[in-house]
Amino acid sequence: EAGVAQSPRYKIIEKRQSVAFWCNPISGHATLYWYQQILGQGPKLLIQFQNNGVVDDSQLPKDRFSAERLKGVDSTLKIQPAKLEDSAVYLCASSLEPTGGWETQYFGPGTRLLVL
Amino acid sequence: ILNVEQSPQSLHVQEGDSTNFTCSFPSSNFYALHWYRWETAKSPEALFVMTLNGDEKKKGRISATLNTKEGYSYLYIKGSQPEDSATYLCALPHFGNEKLTFGTGTRLTIIP
Repeated sequence: EAGVAQSPRYKIIEKRQSVAFWCNPISGHATLYWYQQILGQGPKLLIQFQNNGVVDDSQLPKDRFSAERLKGVDSTLKIQPAKLEDSAVYLCASSLEPTGGWETQYFGPGTRLLVL
Repeated sequence: ILNVEQSPQSLHVQEGDSTNFTCSFPSSNFYALHWYRWETAKSPEALFVMTLNGDEKKKGRISATLNTKEGYSYLYIKGSQPEDSATYLCALPHFGNEKLTFGTGTRLTIIP
């Protein structure tokens, strides 16, 4: 079974530039998550999709971050404009069905973003 | 806000030695606890999902225990090998939904 795919793996941009990350979840997984992991901290949930609807985006900085999941499969996360504090690893994860917290989330390898 | 703490932050262990580390969480409204292993440049890998007080789970040389009444889980590694070098993360869902709050992780380095 193919895992969660993410691209690019690494990205270096200057502040105020835009950047987009792509995620392809495991086939058949209804729930998709984007996490931000800043060095020295644990991953923090940015947004959760159930099929193509948003379940939770309470920690997404909506003035600069946006995400979409078209047709309930692939997803893109965009930052526009980027700030220095956005330097982090952006992880995408997916899970089969929502079970209220028991379901294992399967992670991609992440995109490591450096904002200069 | 769900407060999940892990200790120690980092650990160096001689190859062949056994080790353990801790995940602490509020004991009220416990629902489940997830352990993940994250090797550098790879995807975080799910190790265990634990739900019941007294749960003990095992995968090869790695095992975990859960005490929901006092709010902690231990992860044990027996006979450490270089491939065990990774960051070990624990995470708890907010009660009734899938939103996971992660600890800051324990970074384990095995010295050959």
